Amino acid sequence: AQSVSQHNHHVILSEAASLELGCNYSYGGTVNLFWYVQYPGQHLQLLLKYFSGDPLVKGIKGFEAEFIKSKFSFNLRKPSVQWSDTAEYFCAVSLSGNTPLVFGKGTRLSVIA
Amino acid sequence: DAGVIQSPRHEVTEMGQEVTLRCKPISGHDYLFWYRQTMMRGLELLIYFNNNVPIDDSGMPEDRFSAKMPNASFSTLKIQPSEPRDSAVYFCASSSSPPRVFFGEGSRLTVL
Repeated sequence: AQSVSQHNHHVILSEAASLELGCNYSYGGTVNLFWYVQYPGQHLQLLLKYFSGDPLVKGIKGFEAEFIKSKFSFNLRKPSVQWSDTAEYFCAVSLSGNTPLVFGKGTRLSVIA
Repeated sequence: DAGVIQSPRHEVTEMGQEVTLRCKPISGHDYLFWYRQTMMRGLELLIYFNNNVPIDDSGMPEDRFSAKMPNASFSTLKIQPSEPRDSAVYFCASSSSPPRVFFGEGSRLTVL
């Protein structure tokens, strides 16, 4: 069964620091890749997604992610975080076709002033 | 569009009681998913429906859990009897073309 690993459980950064959250998946076939964000007390919102094409994907709020097929990775990056980026971030994978998302366990990001 | 609507938003109940969580998907979406979120296990898929038919319920923890979708605009997730380890946030999501899904705001369940 496919699985998704997020390496960091909790990341603490100062404002303006650069962010990189790791995500690796186990499936070797064609996959769709996603990052979702969950702000405190809110539902999951899509940050960005990769289906095909340019492996560097740009999302909302200055986030981007790079799909590296050889490493089975889809790491999330942001050059300069803000206090408002404090949230939980989930990487998710689905196989091609109408299949459900499989989520990683999430990484909690705390941005301090 | 109102989005995916879940109720109740919060529920506190005692062990042994029946719990019913409700979900109204986005109109026109023919897929509906139930996920459970806990600190220990993250987001787990419990069950999903396509055109009101359960497609995969392998994520349902045990017989105490059941889910139904009597029509295209309504689904329930029932826990009977509830146990403290069922405490979690339960998310419903819907889609017209997975994996593009839209999540509800979740139902936070606390079982004492």
